[in-house]
Amino acid sequence: DAGVIQSPRHEVTEMGQEVTLRCKPISGHDYLFWYRQTMMRGLELLIYFNNNVPIDDSGMPEDRFSAKMPNASFSTLKIQPSEPRDSAVYFCASSFGARGEKLFFGSGTQLSVL
Amino acid sequence: GNSVTQMEGPVTLSEEAFLTINCTYTATGYPSLFWYVQYPGEGLQLLLKATKADDKGSNKGFEATYRKETTSFHLEKGSVQVSDSAVYFCALESGNTPLVFGKGTRLSVIA
Repeated sequence: DAGVIQSPRHEVTEMGQEVTLRCKPISGHDYLFWYRQTMMRGLELLIYFNNNVPIDDSGMPEDRFSAKMPNASFSTLKIQPSEPRDSAVYFCASSFGARGEKLFFGSGTQLSVL
Repeated sequence: GNSVTQMEGPVTLSEEAFLTINCTYTATGYPSLFWYVQYPGEGLQLLLKATKADDKGSNKGFEATYRKETTSFHLEKGSVQVSDSAVYFCALESGNTPLVFGKGTRLSVIA
């Protein structure tokens, strides 16, 4: 298996623009997680899905952030409009069952909002 | 609620030095404990785990022992290498909720 695939690897955009991050989880995994990593806050869980259904989005910072999982093999995280404070590395991770030992991360998307 | 506190970095060591990264936790019930490692430019990956008190997890020369009496899960390695330079995350899992991660500790090993 190719692992969790995220795109793009790097995204540079200007404040106010819409940003869409994409994730393809490992086939057969039923949980998908979106994390944000910054120096100040460390690794934050934004939202997670079970069987394509959002379970907990309490970590989503504000209404500018939205996430969808239309099917078992694809998820998006959208920021509209983007702001400089959204600059971070965004990780997608998937697992079979919500078990830490079976959690696999993608390589992340480095987002810079100018 | 559940939480993890790990020592702040960065930690800089010379090759072959002894490494300890402290991690303490607060949890309800009986959590499982993990160390994840993030190499430069990559996502996190599982390094080791322990599922009950007094268990010792080990991998790639790293070890950590689940200490319920001190609510700790310190990461240790007897002789670090340059290739161990990475960010290390302590994490816990309790019940059917997602992993709770610490803030991470950056380790730099110099030759």
